[in-house]
Amino acid sequence: EDQVTQSPEALRLQEGESSSLNCSYTVSGLRGLFWYRQDPGKGPEFLFTLYSAGEEKEKERLKATLTKKESFLHITAPKPEDSATYLCAVRGNQGGKLIFGQGTELSVKP
Amino acid sequence: SQTIHQWPATLVQPVGSPLSLECTVEGTSNPNLYWYRQAAGRGLQLLFYSVGIGQISSEVPQNLSASRPQDRQFILSSKKLLLSDSGFYLCAWSTGTSGSFGANVLTFGAGSRLTVL
Repeated sequence: EDQVTQSPEALRLQEGESSSLNCSYTVSGLRGLFWYRQDPGKGPEFLFTLYSAGEEKEKERLKATLTKKESFLHITAPKPEDSATYLCAVRGNQGGKLIFGQGTELSVKP
Repeated sequence: SQTIHQWPATLVQPVGSPLSLECTVEGTSNPNLYWYRQAAGRGLQLLFYSVGIGQISSEVPQNLSASRPQDRQFILSSKKLLLSDSGFYLCAWSTGTSGSFGANVLTFGAGSRLTVL
């Protein structure tokens, strides 16, 4: 069964304090790993898709990387506006549905 | 450009009352449509998805049902709400099939917060 586990559940950082969020997955034939950002009371907003081990993608202070078993979302010198819940999801070759993790709630204090 | 609309944004309903949440997509044709529920402010649980008009797949047995009367319209319904139906409901759409890399990004609506009292 496809499964996604994110850690930590919550992360509190000071502004400028870099860190990483982890997404561990088991899937039958990875067809894409997705990162989303969700602000309170709003729908998730797409950030990145990664397809194969070794792939990396960047957007402003965020960088996503992928191995055969996990993905990391690195946040460099975060700002308070980066505070949100970050969701990871995978799509395998069983029906094509996205399986989401529980998310990491990031709080960046000034 | 494509947009997704979901309403109502907030709903407070008594136990046993009916429910209707509506979602429409603009700027695309024949989208895949999805209903998710997010409980406890975190994980997303897929409830229903549809690859075409009148085609509904249910992921979890429950008190809810879904319909797709038009190509870009997706409706989530219940005849009698339960307390456990409370949550944040999200509609989403995607293009393409599972065989098309890059065509399967889900775009979400703003969500509907349902409180059942």
